[in-house]
Amino acid sequence: QVQLVESGGGLVKPGGSLRLSCAASGFTFSDYYVTWIRQAPGKGLEWVSYISGSGMNIYYADSVRGRFTISRDNAKNSLYLQMNSLRAEDTAVYYCARVFRSGIDYYYMDVWGKGTTVTVSS
Amino acid sequence: DIQMTQSPSSLSASVGDRVTITCRASQSISSYLNWYQQKPGKAPKVLIYAASSLQSGVPSRFSGSGSGTDFTLTLSSLQPEDFATYYCQQSITTPYTFGQGTKLEIK
Repeated sequence: QVQLVESGGGLVKPGGSLRLSCAASGFTFSDYYVTWIRQAPGKGLEWVSYISGSGMNIYYADSVRGRFTISRDNAKNSLYLQMNSLRAEDTAVYYCARVFRSGIDYYYMDVWGKGTTVTVSS
Repeated sequence: DIQMTQSPSSLSASVGDRVTITCRASQSISSYLNWYQQKPGKAPKVLIYAASSLQSGVPSRFSGSGSGTDFTLTLSSLQPEDFATYYCQQSITTPYTFGQGTKLEIK
């Protein structure tokens, strides 16, 4: 079935780095934009970054631009998020999600992973 | 960035009640508005896209309306499994911002 599975979360010190992965299955990965969305403990959803199917179109939220790098390997059906210079405020559950396009240009996240937890603390 | 504001932030209701949640955008977003449901410890699930289109598999008691800056999510007859947090999200321009959420609790 269509599935996304995140991995790579953990405890890291402020200023440290972490690389998240998201393994896709059950669909043609290269046909879809995919995105990272995070949720700090007890807080709402924050959209972090997306990448187009080809990897040519990338966007970041201001809060992570310059520190995080999104990438994908379509041959491995995998999405990545390299997180550098981590701060306490990056502590969150990180979800990867598939972006579905309906009609001309209505986009929404229709498949989500279960999330991986990143904790930034000394 | 486009700011999305939901009201109320929390809501108590009973099984069988009709409930409406409102989402307001800081500028016009046409119909580029999605609604998600999230239960504790789970990933969000899309309910409504393009303001009023029901996602496949979502019960018909959920409906969405609105365009421009004002939108509503309506649950026509609450079921026990509907108690959750609901988020709106705009998809007209990056960053694709979310509302702060509306927590629907059992009265």
